Amino acid sequence: AQKITQTQPGMFVQEKEAVTLDCTYDTSDPSYGLFWYKQPSSGEMIFLIYQGSYDQQNATEGRYSLNFQKARKSANLVISASQLGDSAMYFCAMREEGTDSWGKLQFGAGTQVVVTP
Amino acid sequence: DAGVTQSPTHLIKTRGQQVTLRCSPISGHKSVSWYQQVLGQGPQFIFQYYEKEERGRGNFPDRFSARQFPNYSSELNVNALLLGDSALYLCASSARGGNSPLHFGNGTRLTVT
Repeated sequence: AQKITQTQPGMFVQEKEAVTLDCTYDTSDPSYGLFWYKQPSSGEMIFLIYQGSYDQQNATEGRYSLNFQKARKSANLVISASQLGDSAMYFCAMREEGTDSWGKLQFGAGTQVVVTP
Repeated sequence: DAGVTQSPTHLIKTRGQQVTLRCSPISGHKSVSWYQQVLGQGPQFIFQYYEKEERGRGNFPDRFSARQFPNYSSELNVNALLLGDSALYLCASSARGGNSPLHFGNGTRLTVT
């Protein structure tokens, strides 16, 4: 069963606008972590932001913030003031802490973001 | 500090051949994970190694194997290559557990013809 769902295959956003990328997840593990990664066309995966299941506040990192709604199992990424360099594929991923394999992330299918001038 | 390094960057193999991919983690990271990313999809977990021991295995056939060396570098081996093995293979290193993110290398793009 799909554990991470990203329903937006692609989005266009104008420079300097904000954009929200949707992510819902499914787990019965009470302890888990949620990650967002950016993958430009070059292929590298760049870590953006992390939210732990017990964190009381939404995570923020510069222009990135995570809108964490635990009851809805939702972890949407908000990118403020979009820049042309933000054009990339964005992946939501989950780590379930109940396993001993912290190197295992489950990724969604990704959302392609294109920032236009 | 150097990030995660992977070699080679590109590789072309023929069906039935064997391939070895290499990865060096970030200095101080003892955990290495391998992922396969088929075009248009998210990465899929293959293996995790920590302190030279396998800590996790994804849903991949036994043709896939890996190992970790005393310096924490790692190799991924794939035997009897199939066309469907064509993908970007990503290596990631991390500190242990908690909120430690995975730091990925630039990947090895494998094409099987």
